[in-house]
Amino acid sequence: SAVISQKPSRDICQRGTSLTIQCQVDSQVTMMFWYRQQPGQSLTLIATANQGSEATYESGFVIDKFPISRPNLTFSTLTVSNMSPEDSSIYLCSVEVTGDEQYFGPGTRLTVT
Amino acid sequence: GQNIDQPTEMTATEGAIVQINCTYQTSGFNGLFWYQQHAGEAPTFLSYNVLDGLEEKGRFSSFLSRSKGYSYLLLKELQMKDSASYLCAVKGTYKYIFGTGTRLKVLA
Repeated sequence: SAVISQKPSRDICQRGTSLTIQCQVDSQVTMMFWYRQQPGQSLTLIATANQGSEATYESGFVIDKFPISRPNLTFSTLTVSNMSPEDSSIYLCSVEVTGDEQYFGPGTRLTVT
Repeated sequence: GQNIDQPTEMTATEGAIVQINCTYQTSGFNGLFWYQQHAGEAPTFLSYNVLDGLEEKGRFSSFLSRSKGYSYLLLKELQMKDSASYLCAVKGTYKYIFGTGTRLKVLA
């Protein structure tokens, strides 16, 4: 298993600003994922972040808007840039530990006003 | 294209059995996963199938038929705390694709 923490747990931000979300894992993992979950909806994958390489972004998500860092095997950050109210969502990081299970962080609830 | 379908909502009575179905069409298949998500919380792993058949874990069982692109999650002896969303996800070549989730309400 893996224990994942995220910071901040929630934030209220003004449009046009940026927020960096941190994800820390208690063990070394190769694959980390960033998801977005809008109210009442399922999870949408933003990007896959592997240590030592550029993040791989899904259709509809671009690096300029959601830059990701993965400096080591236990840590990653996701920045939501130039925010608009449409970016209000829960952002979750997750890790794949054994290839059989994916563990999620507690999420960051973002509200953009 | 890639698609995962689940019913949007289901209601069942405490103590009963409920089956939540999931059908999928994906490019690449490396396993099917079920997650439980309570309101305001992160998803938690419930079960995993990579081969056809039934996997049992206490009150929860999951079934997979790869030829039919079909899975179900079976919850027995329902408890009020089982009221949650249940997410079906398929692991493709390098990523997970999630269904829209099924909101289960357990009534007393």
